[in-house]
Amino acid sequence: SAVISQKPSRDICQRGTSLTIQCQVDSQVTMMFWYRQQPGQSLTLIATANQGSEATYESGFVIDKFPISRPNLTFSTLTVSNMSPEDSSIYLCSVDPGQSNTGELFFGEGSRLTVL
Amino acid sequence: LAKTTQPVSMDSYEGQEVNITCSHNNIATNDYITWYQQFPSQGPRFIIQGYKTKVTNEVASLFIPADRKSSTLSLPRVSLSDTAVYYCLVGKIYNFNKFYFGSGTKLNVKP
Repeated sequence: SAVISQKPSRDICQRGTSLTIQCQVDSQVTMMFWYRQQPGQSLTLIATANQGSEATYESGFVIDKFPISRPNLTFSTLTVSNMSPEDSSIYLCSVDPGQSNTGELFFGEGSRLTVL
Repeated sequence: LAKTTQPVSMDSYEGQEVNITCSHNNIATNDYITWYQQFPSQGPRFIIQGYKTKVTNEVASLFIPADRKSSTLSLPRVSLSDTAVYYCLVGKIYNFNKFYFGSGTKLNVKP
C-alpha cells in the first residue's frame, strides 16, 4: 500500500495567480499520476510523472498551464498557473506502488482549489 | 482505449444487495476490469479487480461474462456507509499503465 499526503488540502485563490500542490508518498514509487476532478464530475487524468524525466501530459493539458516536478521517488508537485474560475477543482495525486499484480492506484485526499 | 458506460445513479435500501453493471464493448484481450469507490472529499479506493468469470473478496463480488463486454459489481447487504460513487475502469495492469475513469455510478443507500 501507499500513504499519500497532499498540501494544501484546500485553498481559495485569486484569478491570474498560480498555486503549487505538493504530493508526498511514504514509499518510493516509479510513477505518479495527477488527476483533476471538477465539481460533481469524474476524474480526468492530467499527466503522468516519472522521476528523472519530463511529465507526459494528456490531451487538453499542457505543461505551461500545469507544470509538474518530480525531483525524487517520493515527491511531486503540480502547479496550476494563471488560474481562472474554470480551474476550480479537486486535484488528486495518485501512485501505483507496483507491490501487487493488480495495478491498484492509491490516492491522496485531494487539494480543493477555488478560484475567484 | 476501452470506454465504459455505467448508470448515472442508483438508489437502494439498507440490507439489500446492489448490482451495478458496467458496459465495455471494446475491451481488449489484455485488459482487466477494476472497480473503485469514492466517498465525498476523498480520493477513490480500490474495491475489486477481475479478468473473467467471478471474483469475490471481503467487500464485493465481480461477475464477468464469457464475452467480457460487461461486468457487474455486486455489493451484498449494503449499509448507509456504502453511499458513494463507484467507478468501473478497464485497462492493462502491468507496466504502470495509466487508468482513465469513466463517469461513475452514484449509489444512494436509504434507511
